Amino acid sequence: SQWGEENLQALSIQEGEDVTMNCSYKTYTTVVQWYRQKSGKGPAQLILIRSNEREKRSGRLRATLDTSSQSSSLSITGTLATDTAVYFCASPTGNTGKLIFGLGTTLQVQP
Amino acid sequence: GPKVLQIPSHQIIDMGQMVTLNCDPVSNHLYFYWYKQILGQQMEFLVNFYNGKVMEKSKLFKDQFSVERPDGSYFTLKIQPTALEDSAVYFCASSLPGISYEQYFGPGTRLTVL
Repeated sequence: SQWGEENLQALSIQEGEDVTMNCSYKTYTTVVQWYRQKSGKGPAQLILIRSNEREKRSGRLRATLDTSSQSSSLSITGTLATDTAVYFCASPTGNTGKLIFGLGTTLQVQP
Repeated sequence: GPKVLQIPSHQIIDMGQMVTLNCDPVSNHLYFYWYKQILGQQMEFLVNFYNGKVMEKSKLFKDQFSVERPDGSYFTLKIQPTALEDSAVYFCASSLPGISYEQYFGPGTRLTVL
């Protein structure tokens, strides 16, 4: 698999707390995408970060990419109950852009 | 934002029957994908389709599977005949042509093969 086994986690936090989720990848990639999947829905992209970017922000989200350690993180500040979801990292591979997904982090934000 | 629609949302069929899953992609997208997700497991790539052809398929895309998009209508995944291990949620995705564009996913079709 492209993604490390440690990516599978389940986290439960209180609304308002900050949280950081991590992914490590095995094969070099130039792009890491973070997706969120809410119960009963398809994944939705949150952030796309490229290998020439160390950090990218979007609202309460912050993604990092460390190509030397082959790892990426997604931080959410001031979590809301609506952030409850499974968060995946993914990378497009090959010539067709097929996504290889990590196992995901299940985040439960208690109101 | 752009939406991908999938019909039906649920399908229950008997093993050996044929099933067609339908996807209505984002209107100006040209890359189409199917992914399979078994409950509690990671999303896995099945097939990518562009310009009327399969560009890449995974080992999960068995001979019983086929895809097409006749005349720019629905992008379909057909399984004939179905097997018990085909039970899963199937997600369709579409994107602009290129490997770094965001893929927009539909809500999935839950297929149960009895």
